[in-house]
Amino acid sequence: LAKTTQPISMDSYEGQEVNITCSHNNIATNDYITWYQQFPSQGPRFIIQGYKTKVTNEVASLFIPADRKSSTLSLPRVSLSDTAVYYCLRFSGGYNKLIFGAGTRLAVHP
Amino acid sequence: DARVTQTPRDKVTEMGQEVTMRCQPILGHNTVFWYRQTMMQGLELLAYFRNRAPLDDSGMPKDRFSAEMPDATLATLKIQPSEPRDSAVYFCASGSPGAPDGYTFGSGTRLTVV
Repeated sequence: LAKTTQPISMDSYEGQEVNITCSHNNIATNDYITWYQQFPSQGPRFIIQGYKTKVTNEVASLFIPADRKSSTLSLPRVSLSDTAVYYCLRFSGGYNKLIFGAGTRLAVHP
Repeated sequence: DARVTQTPRDKVTEMGQEVTMRCQPILGHNTVFWYRQTMMQGLELLAYFRNRAPLDDSGMPKDRFSAEMPDATLATLKIQPSEPRDSAVYFCASGSPGAPDGYTFGSGTRLTVV
């Protein structure tokens, strides 16, 4: 059973910023939030992970508020190649399983 | 870039046959996951290993599926006998807990059981 909730689908246009919000009301103290991206016919690819506040890398930013009950993946200036399914997962470094939910299907239009 | 290698890439087999899928994790990674993906069920976790020891295989149909790590460079997923409902893409992923770059997935094995 997935422990996060995110929108089923989103639409955007090239050049826009896309924010995908994920809810994880019952997040445990030692859980991280991690995001993966999956293109058709490929395995998921790690994008970013964080514990709280803001994390940024060359691909995206991740915002996690102080209460950690939600998080937002921000993709700046999307292009057509960002069309993919984006998964938000809770994960701890212990023996937790990496469980995928349905993800958010992002479609970027010209 | 280091890669997780899965073989075969595609497999078509007849119902009742044995199928073995192989995964070569990235050297140094101590955790290996096996997933199955279908349109209906999405990504399902079948089994995972840490330091070659099976930690959880509750997602696998026990009567026909088995997963092993005979050594640190090889993980196998076997189906015997295969059934049409096993048709799916099977992914292997490797990584280490707490690593800043997450887990790396292979390209998958597309299995079709006819």
